[in-house]
Amino acid sequence: DAGVIQSPRHEVTEMGQEVTLRCKPISGHNSLFWYRQTMMRGLELLIYFNNNVPIDDSGMPEDRFSAKMPNASFSTLKIQPSEPRDSAVYFCASSPTSTGGTGELFFGEGSRLTVL
Amino acid sequence: SQQGEEDPQALSIQEGENATMNCSYKTSINNLQWYRQNSGRGLVHLILIRSNEREKHSGRLRVTLDTSKKSSSLLITASRAADTASYFCATSRPQAGTALIFGKGTTLSVSS
Repeated sequence: DAGVIQSPRHEVTEMGQEVTLRCKPISGHNSLFWYRQTMMRGLELLIYFNNNVPIDDSGMPEDRFSAKMPNASFSTLKIQPSEPRDSAVYFCASSPTSTGGTGELFFGEGSRLTVL
Repeated sequence: SQQGEEDPQALSIQEGENATMNCSYKTSINNLQWYRQNSGRGLVHLILIRSNEREKHSGRLRVTLDTSKKSSSLLITASRAADTASYFCATSRPQAGTALIFGKGTTLSVSS
């Protein structure tokens, strides 16, 4: 079975540009999570969806970040405009449980973003 | 905000030795999970221990949980070079609609 698929794996962009990260969760999983990982702050939860509905977006840094889940098999995380401090590895994860954080998470390989 | 804090931040051992990593957390939990991350890869789930459990085993892994001290430990026995990775604890809070909160991890280096 395919795991969580993220694209692109690497993105280098210039400050001010729009960045869109994509995620395909494991089929049948009904919870989807976006996390950001940096050396300084570790792994931070940005947002999580349950049955395509955003449940907790308190971790979204500011209005420059937005996330959507138009259907059960696809989610996007958009940064507009991007800034150098957004440089990080962004992970998408999915879970088969309907209560969010109680079950095992399955992570994608991450999207490494560098904003120059 | 970080719920779990791992200790030590880094650990270097020889193959065959045991590795122990600790995790402390701040609030009540539903369960606690441990994950491994190899360099440049995503996190992989290792083991989950529920708040009413005290110890759990999986192969060479042993996890303990002390809810009175709000702490957990992960023991890897007879370590191998392939165990070299970062290890994270993650806590699940009892409140509905909350997601896993991860600590900053312990980096384990096993040399042959």
